Amino acid sequence: AQSVTQLDSHVSVSEGTPVLLRCNYSSSYSPSLFWYVQHPNKGLQLLLKYTSAATLVKGINGFEAEFKKSETSFHLTKPSAHMSDAAEYFCVSLITGFQKLVFGTGTRLLVSP
Amino acid sequence: DTAVSQTPKYLVTQMGNDKSIKCEQNLGHDTMYWYKQDSKKFLKIMFSYNNKELIINETVPNRFSPKSPDKAHLNLHINSLELGDSAVYFCASSQDGGGSEQYFGPGTRLTVT
Repeated sequence: AQSVTQLDSHVSVSEGTPVLLRCNYSSSYSPSLFWYVQHPNKGLQLLLKYTSAATLVKGINGFEAEFKKSETSFHLTKPSAHMSDAAEYFCVSLITGFQKLVFGTGTRLLVSP
Repeated sequence: DTAVSQTPKYLVTQMGNDKSIKCEQNLGHDTMYWYKQDSKKFLKIMFSYNNKELIINETVPNRFSPKSPDKAHLNLHINSLELGDSAVYFCASSQDGGGSEQYFGPGTRLTVT
């Protein structure tokens, strides 16, 4: 079954330091992968998506993710964290043919001053 | 203008009651979805509709009945509410169901007492 695993339930960083949120996927073929962000008491917003065009995907707010087939990973990074980045981040896989998203369990990013 | 809107934002009700949540999108999208987010932030798809036609129906109790009067609206009716139905329900829409970005509403927090 196609799924995604987010390796950390919480990540804490200081403002201005790099962010790394880890995600591994399991699929027998190249999946479509997404990162969504959810700020407190808000809906979800798409950060970026991978659909096999380029392995390094740039998203909004300075985030990017690299698709690594050999590692079955799609980690989300940002060079310098801002306080406003504090939120819940979801790695998501699309089950093609069934037209549905499968969400990881989420990683809460905490940013301290 | 709000792209995907849901009403109400909060819903507190007693066990056994019947309630509805409404969702509207003004993006001209063909596909709409309902997701449930539990207390641990885990998100799971419940239903999706494409042009008023049911596409996905996950293993959801038949107390939950979606209705799509037109492709801009997807409402969720819940009969005989149970404590375990307490969650945040998100509506989303996408241009099509084939991997295009999904736009999420702000969510409806349902509390069953």
